Amino acid sequence: ILNVEQSPQSLHVQEGDSTNFTCSFPSSNFYALHWYRWETAKSPEALFVMTLNGDEKKKGRISATLNTKEGYSYLYIKGSQPEDSATYLCAFGSGNTGKLIFGQGTTLQVKP
Amino acid sequence: ETGVTQTPRHLVMGMTNKKSLKCEQHLGHNAMYWYKQSAKKPLELMFVYSLEERVENNSVPSRFSPECPNSSHLFLHLHTLQPEDSALYLCASSQGPTKYGYTFGSGTRLTVV
Repeated sequence: ILNVEQSPQSLHVQEGDSTNFTCSFPSSNFYALHWYRWETAKSPEALFVMTLNGDEKKKGRISATLNTKEGYSYLYIKGSQPEDSATYLCAFGSGNTGKLIFGQGTTLQVKP
Repeated sequence: ETGVTQTPRHLVMGMTNKKSLKCEQHLGHNAMYWYKQSAKKPLELMFVYSLEERVENNSVPSRFSPECPNSSHLFLHLHTLQPEDSALYLCASSQGPTKYGYTFGSGTRLTVV
């Protein structure tokens, strides 16, 4: 059974704080690691897809790193804003099958 | 709109009913997926279709029956469901292998009474 773990489960921060979440995944048969952002009443939206060990990706104030050998990825948000409030999902792609296994998500609440 | 459209948005059905969920994409993607999200659980993969062929059936009960008539449309036919099948059902599409991001629909919130 493939297990993808995310921590923390939820997080409350003040506007302007920087924060980071962790995604742990199996280190064998790695193909890709995805991050999605899911706002309430909307669709999950792809943030990053990473495939190479050591990959770092950035989109505005959000960035992600990847360590496939030890099986973890970090998502960083610099200077959190209320509009960053959402659930952040990571998903592990095992082999070239199109099959993504999702973690339970980290729910971020940013207070003005 | 993300480019993946799901209908209906909400559905209430009795345990003896038959209903269908519909998903449509015009992004040129060749893979489509059904995911289920129950309360406080991760998104759970149900079915994968690649080039209209089912390539994954994740031990889903036979009361859920998928259909992919072409690369733009995906259906989930429901019959004799149980109350524990109440959940959010999400459709997604992608260009195929997991190195491509998924585009999700808004989901169908299903309640079985």
